[in-house]
Amino acid sequence: GNSVTQMEGPVTLSEEAFLTINCTYTATGYPSLFWYVQYPGEGLQLLLKATKADDKGSNKGFEATYRKETTSFHLEKGSVQVSDSAVYFCALILNSGYSTLTFGKGTMLLVSP
Amino acid sequence: DAMVIQNPRYQVTQFGKPVTLSCSQTLNHNVMYWYQQKSSQAPKLLFHYYDKDFNNEADTPDNFQSRRPNTSFCFLDIRSPGLGDAAMYLCATRIEQGMGEQYFGPGTRLTVT
Repeated sequence: GNSVTQMEGPVTLSEEAFLTINCTYTATGYPSLFWYVQYPGEGLQLLLKATKADDKGSNKGFEATYRKETTSFHLEKGSVQVSDSAVYFCALILNSGYSTLTFGKGTMLLVSP
Repeated sequence: DAMVIQNPRYQVTQFGKPVTLSCSQTLNHNVMYWYQQKSSQAPKLLFHYYDKDFNNEADTPDNFQSRRPNTSFCFLDIRSPGLGDAAMYLCATRIEQGMGEQYFGPGTRLTVT
């Protein structure tokens, strides 16, 4: 089956620090990969996506590169802000046929001033 | 601009009293999903519709039902809510099976008293 493994949190950083949240996956077919962000009390927002190998998704200073050889999609940001504090979910969905989103367990990020 | 709309955003119901949550979409997507998300966990898929075809996840309790009267609307009915059903309920859409990303609504926070 499909699965997503992401690093456990919470990840605690000071403002302007560099962020990496690791994500690896297994998939039975060809997946698209996503990072979703969830702010306290809110729904999921798509942060970025990549639909094929070597694609780089980017948004709001966050980046992630689809690495087929290492089955990874690590999230990075060069300088985090307090407002980035949230839970981040890595997820995949297959690009053909019947498929639903497979989520990682989520990583909480706490950024202090 | 809202694409996936959930009403209400907050719902309080009594133990055992039926409750209905609603979701509507302006995207004309064929696939609609309902997820349950408990605190500090990833969303858990309850069921989804592909057009009018209903697909129930194997471990979704019978207490949860869904209706999709037309393309735009989808309802989640909880027939006899228990305290364990208190959660955030997320609706999502996808244009087609095997195509594109999922778009999430803001969620409905259900409290059971």
